[in-house]
Amino acid sequence: KAGVTQTPRYLIKTRGQQVTLSCSPISGHRSVSWYQQTPGQGLQFLFEYFSETQRNKGNFPGRFSGRQFSNSRSEMNVSTLELGDSALYLCASSLEGQLRYEQYFGPGTRLTVT
Amino acid sequence: QKEVEQDPGPLSVPEGAIVSLNCTYSNSAFQYFMWYRQYSRKGPELLMYTYSSGNKEDGRFTAQVDKSSKYISLFIRDSQPSDSATYLCAMSAIQAGTALIFGKGTTLSVSS
Repeated sequence: KAGVTQTPRYLIKTRGQQVTLSCSPISGHRSVSWYQQTPGQGLQFLFEYFSETQRNKGNFPGRFSGRQFSNSRSEMNVSTLELGDSALYLCASSLEGQLRYEQYFGPGTRLTVT
Repeated sequence: QKEVEQDPGPLSVPEGAIVSLNCTYSNSAFQYFMWYRQYSRKGPELLMYTYSSGNKEDGRFTAQVDKSSKYISLFIRDSQPSDSATYLCAMSAIQAGTALIFGKGTTLSVSS
């Protein structure tokens, strides 16, 4: 079974621009969560989508948004990029019920903001 | 006080050693406990998943949860150079949905 895929793998943007990252979950997984990983803060939860609805949200500004499509694929958007947004953005998918906490991560998209 | 504390290391051990990795937490509502392994430039890989207290064993890996002390551990027996990676603990409360709170990770190096 194919794992979680994320595109693009690497991205370089300029401060003030916006960016869209894509995530395809494991087949059959309907829950998709997004995390930001930086050396200083570690892994931090951004938001979770299930059945095209945002089910949970972390403590990030409104510049970070996302959506999920009917095929469970998800996109994350960051507007008005800041230097501090440089990070590895990870997507994770999971099943429902008791297994929802078993999250499987993709390889991440490394975003550099200059 | 951060919700999850994890010693960043680095931790260096010889091949064959028993490794002990630990996390402490402050939120007594946490009930789901996970250990992830992350190789350089890769996404985290789920190693162990434990609900509530107790021990769980999978091959060379044993996860322990002590809710009374708010302390979780991962033991690696007969460590191998391929175990060299960053190990992240993660946990969640039912009320938090599936939001995982991660430790910052411990970097482990196993030398042959």
